[in-house]
Amino acid sequence: DGGITQSPKYLFRKEGQNVTLSCEQNLNHDAMYWYRQDPGQGLRLIYYSQIVNDFQKGDIAEGYSVSREKKESFPLTVTSAQKNPTAFYLCASSKRSTNEKLFFGSGTQLSVL
Amino acid sequence: GEDVEQSLFLSVREGDSSVINCTYTDSSSTYLYWYKQEPGAGLQLLTYIFSNMDMKQDQRLTVLLNKKDKHLSLRIADTQTGDSAIYFCAEGSSNTGKLIFGQGTTLQVKP
Repeated sequence: DGGITQSPKYLFRKEGQNVTLSCEQNLNHDAMYWYRQDPGQGLRLIYYSQIVNDFQKGDIAEGYSVSREKKESFPLTVTSAQKNPTAFYLCASSKRSTNEKLFFGSGTQLSVL
Repeated sequence: GEDVEQSLFLSVREGDSSVINCTYTDSSSTYLYWYKQEPGAGLQLLTYIFSNMDMKQDQRLTVLLNKKDKHLSLRIADTQTGDSAIYFCAEGSSNTGKLIFGQGTTLQVKP
């Protein structure tokens, strides 16, 4: 089955710690995205990548970092600089990057200990 | 900048029709989308409409687009308890090449 896999489902971060959220897709999609979702709010774009070895900041990139070394993988690191990291994180992909329909993973809930 | 607005909550009785509304600001949008999110899950694409269409029907779902008023609606016929979820409207912005999402409408279906 083709799809997007996010792991872990739940993640806890201690103060001052960096944590990395995994996102893998086997849809052969060029573009991948990371969104943050807070309760009662819409999705806010953190980073996106249109092609391997290239990525752009979204609307709320501060305190986050990404890499795109392989087409299938787009991991997100939540750094200690992100002071309010508790949220639901969603990874998505699309065949190309120009406002095409997105396919989403099942999400990672990050909480601070 | 581009913006997408939705009402936050809708409650209906099982068997009734639900209508979820959305307004957007970007007149250059090419596609408009409806996504469904169940608790603790990712977003599932329900349907989408191209901006030169007025209506699209897919089984119990009907999408209406009023491009002049920049208004999009999703009608769910014969709403079931399994339809309880958050529904997101999104526009594909030609300006930014990205999707812009609304805040989501929580649909509560009462038995």
